[in-house]
Order: sequence, then structure tokens, then C-alpha cells
Amino acid sequence: QVQLQESGPGLVKPSQTLSLTCTVSGGSISSGAYYWSWVRQPAGKGLEWIGRFYTGGSTNYNPSLKSRVTISLDTSKNQFSLRLSSVTAADTALYYCAREGSGWIPIDYWGQGTLVTVSS
Amino acid sequence: DIQMTQSPSSLSASVGDRVTITCRASQSTNNYLNWYQQKPGKAPELLIYAASNLQSGVPSRFSGSGSGTDFTLTISSLQPEDFATYHCHQSYSLPHTFGQGTKLEIK
Repeated sequence: QVQLQESGPGLVKPSQTLSLTCTVSGGSISSGAYYWSWVRQPAGKGLEWIGRFYTGGSTNYNPSLKSRVTISLDTSKNQFSLRLSSVTAADTALYYCAREGSGWIPIDYWGQGTLVTVSS
Repeated sequence: DIQMTQSPSSLSASVGDRVTITCRASQSTNNYLNWYQQKPGKAPELLIYAASNLQSGVPSRFSGSGSGTDFTLTISSLQPEDFATYHCHQSYSLPHTFGQGTKLEIK
């Protein structure tokens, strides 16, 4: 059973960089055909797909965030990370890491989510 | 981007009711349409993938149908644990997008 757990600062100042890490257990992030993804959810609102890193090495980002977002893998630690630069209050949200399958299989495993607040 | 519109945004129903939630995409998703259930304070859980395929472990009272741009999630007989928010999601075209959610409440 794959499990994901987000970690990182819960408070980030405006204009700074948000950095989160997702630790994966129950499976190797470097094996299989999976996308390691980030999704966020502002309070009381819907889900927004941020982007993903494929085990084969490619990345895809939401164009609305593309210039500010980087997703990377650290296979030695079985972790993947999100960096979002130049944050504003609009980036305040619950951030989820997740695993997406290939082909027809969408996100099937989620972390519990971590709240990030952007405030001075 | 493919815009996903769910209706209704909220719904009141009773235990035992049959409930239907619809999701319309602004363009074809080629049936890469998924449904998630989210309870307060919890991550979403996958119910249905590829429009009509029941995820392993999900009760058979949940079903999905539709094709192209119009999709439906049906709960045949509501149980107390089904009161939650439901999200549709297209994984056909980047960026992947979600509907705004449908909150299912107890009448």
C-alpha cells in the first residue's frame, strides 16, 4: 500500500518561495510508470492541478503557474518536491501530493494534505 | 484548458435516496473522466475512473456513465457515510482540471 506524506513550512511570506516535500512509502518512486503530482485546494474551493513529474523524467506544469513552479524527484530519499516562487496570498491553500497512474488511471493515492498560508 | 462544470453545486438528500450528479466538460475528454469523494478534512478518494470503471474497494452503489462531454455519477441508495463533496476530474488534456465540486448534505 503506497502512502504519501507532505512536509514543509506552514507559513510563507509574500514574494518568497514555497517549498514542500512528499515522502513516499510502500513503493519506490523510481519504478513503474507513474506521475508524482501536486494538487492544491484553497479553503472552501475546488481542486487545482499544479503539475507532475513522470518517473521517466519529464515534467508537466499548469500554465497558470508554469513560470513559478518546479517539481523534482529525489530517488535516494524516495521523495519528490514542489517549489513555488514569488508567492502571494492567492497561493494560500491546502497542498496535496499524489500519485497518478499511466493510461486511464488517474490520481489514485493522495497524501493527507498540508496547509500553507502566505502572510507577512 | 478544459472547463469542468458540475451540477448541482449542492444537494440535500436522505438516506436511501437515489442521487445523480452531473459533470459537463467544455470539450471532449475522450472519456478520461474521473470522480472523487472528499470528506471534511480528508484527501479526495477515487471512486470512478474512465467514466464508468469502479475503483477497487468502492461500493457497487456508486456508478458512472456518460461519454464525450457529459457525465453522470449515480449513488443508487445513499448511505450515511456518502454525505461528502464529489469532484469530477478530466485527465485527458493538460492541464488536468476539476469541477467545482458538489456538496451532498443530509436532508
